[in-house]
Amino acid sequence: AQTVTQSQPEMSVQEAETVTLSCTYDTSESNYYLFWYKQPPSRQMILVIRQEAYKQQNATENRFSVNFQKAAKSFSLKISDSQLGDTAMYFCAFMSTNSGYALNFGKGTSLLVTP
Amino acid sequence: DAGVIQSPRHEVTEMGQEVTLRCKPISGHNSLFWYRQTMMRGLELLIYFNNNVPIDDSGMPEDRFSAKMPNASFSTLKIQPSEPRDSAVYFCASSLKLLETQYFGPGTRLLVL
Repeated sequence: AQTVTQSQPEMSVQEAETVTLSCTYDTSESNYYLFWYKQPPSRQMILVIRQEAYKQQNATENRFSVNFQKAAKSFSLKISDSQLGDTAMYFCAFMSTNSGYALNFGKGTSLLVTP
Repeated sequence: DAGVIQSPRHEVTEMGQEVTLRCKPISGHNSLFWYRQTMMRGLELLIYFNNNVPIDDSGMPEDRFSAKMPNASFSTLKIQPSEPRDSAVYFCASSLKLLETQYFGPGTRLLVL
């Protein structure tokens, strides 16, 4: 089974600053998909960004961007101009045909944005 | 557009009772997933359906858990009998097809006393 590791249980950033959340994964596959989901205190799971492994270009969604390093099996999330509403748990997830099409989640990073 | 709908949002029951969780996927989505979230185990897949057919139920904890998808717009997850260790948040997610992005419902927070 694929392993997704988020090595930072908690992080803190000041409003308007930039923060990077780390994620590494372990797979022998060449074709797969990576995601970042956000879970605010409401517990709703919200998609932040998606990256296809076959695409070399890093995905970007407004203030959110990823640094996808396929050889290093690294998939970090950068949040620019942090806002108070970004306070949440952030989960990195892996999906592939061989992993059974389900999302395989990391344990999450709790991000606190302070004024 | 309506997202994934789950009911109830909260459920408190006593050990031994039957619990039924409900999910309505996004219209037009052909794949539906049930996940469970606990502090100890994080987010884990229970079962998923494709075109209303169960494909992988290897994550279902034991025979007390069962899931059905009688049509494209409705799925249930049933626990009978419930136990305190079943207390968790249960999420339903749907996607257009397999390997597409999964969109999650708000979850059902279950507490078994």
